[in-house]
Amino acid sequence: QVTLRESGPALVKPTQTLTLTCTFSGFSLTTRGMSVSWIRQPPGKALEWLALIDWDDDKYYTTSLKTRLTISKDTSKNQVVLTMTNMDPVDTATYYCARRTGYQSGYYYYYYMDVWGKGTTVTVSS
Amino acid sequence: DIQMTQSPSSLSASVGDRVTITCRASQTIDRHINWYQHRPGKAPKLLIYAASNLQRGVPSRFSGSGSGTYFTLTINSLQSEDFATYYCLQTFSAVQFGQGTKVEIK
Repeated sequence: QVTLRESGPALVKPTQTLTLTCTFSGFSLTTRGMSVSWIRQPPGKALEWLALIDWDDDKYYTTSLKTRLTISKDTSKNQVVLTMTNMDPVDTATYYCARRTGYQSGYYYYYYMDVWGKGTTVTVSS
Repeated sequence: DIQMTQSPSSLSASVGDRVTITCRASQTIDRHINWYQHRPGKAPKLLIYAASNLQRGVPSRFSGSGSGTYFTLTINSLQSEDFATYYCLQTFSAVQFGQGTKVEIK
């Protein structure tokens, strides 16, 4: 059974750095084709994809936050860590991690995030 | 970046209704689109992947179609547990969610 769980501080101050950890089980990030993504949802707003790390350590970030985000993995601990610098009240949100997997059909590889954590709520306030 | 335009942003429907939600991509994305259901306080749930493939365990009243730039999610015979917010997600180039469609009880 695949599970993911997010952990981190519930409250951070403006300008601080947020560090979130996704601890997963039921799959390995050393398996070809596996990835973990981070997604957030500010109150009353849509889901927003933030970052992804592949099994081969390739990393991808949303353009709008690229300068503030760093994603990394520790395969021995089955963890993926997301850091976000210079936090602002607009970064108040529920943060989710999710497994991304996929399959190949013809020329393309079709990806999807199939299992998500329950999310962790982060409030940015002084 | 590829933009996803999802519509409507909200709709009211009754149990038993058929509901259709659409997503348009700003450029062709082949069939690289997934659909999610999100209930308050819960993790988003994958319904459809690669445009039309039903995720294991998802009721067959959910279906997806489309390719290129135009995609639809259809819910046949809406049930009470289907009242939620639905999102499309493109994975062709980077990752981009649509703005969501809130399905409310009429």
